[in-house]
Amino acid sequence: QKEVEQNSGPLSVPEGAIASLNCTYSDRGSQSFFWYRQYSGKSPELIMSIYSNGDKEDGRFTAQLNKASQYVSLLIRDSQPSDSATYLCAVNGNTNAGKSTFGDGTTLTVKP
Amino acid sequence: DADVTQTPRNRITKTGKRIMLECSQTKGHDRMYWYRQDPGLGLQLIYYSFDVKDINKGEISDGYSVSRQAQAKFSLSLESAIPNQTALYFCATSDTPMGGVTETQYFGPGTRLLVL
Repeated sequence: QKEVEQNSGPLSVPEGAIASLNCTYSDRGSQSFFWYRQYSGKSPELIMSIYSNGDKEDGRFTAQLNKASQYVSLLIRDSQPSDSATYLCAVNGNTNAGKSTFGDGTTLTVKP
Repeated sequence: DADVTQTPRNRITKTGKRIMLECSQTKGHDRMYWYRQDPGLGLQLIYYSFDVKDINKGEISDGYSVSRQAQAKFSLSLESAIPNQTALYFCATSDTPMGGVTETQYFGPGTRLLVL
């Protein structure tokens, strides 16, 4: 079992729809959770970080964390073609470890 | 100017050659990382460094070595390149965690390496 697993893609949604990206992790001691967006051929860039159970909203993006279920998700409301990219889930253990484990990513395509 | 730079951006080399990829940052971060990314896959950690005197192996360190020449510079070497090291390589930096919160990582633009 991989340490960080993301729902297999590709995921395709129409413009204006809600895109839902999911991630599960195996290390119960994980404390920090990140979503990065990566356009084809480019470097990852941070979209959201979340550290506590519940929802965290930033514009059209909402991250949801459930530590009991070892599950973190990213919702993109009113999806735009510019949201088409690969989304990487990253999970950190305790701060002394300080390094992220990445999932393989989910590729999202938003169709006009 | 970019905060995290990598050189070269593209490199073609032959099997058995030694090559070095360089990373520099102006963010003032103590922590630096080297990842590789294969098509359709996430990022695999090669080496990481939490300060100039600290070097740690990641998931896939075999065949690689690193040098942390200064706080701002972290280089990755392939001692004897082989074709399955063909990949996209990213350098990243992060600040030292404060208050128990792990900091996000900032990535360089990547180096595309082809080993023939």
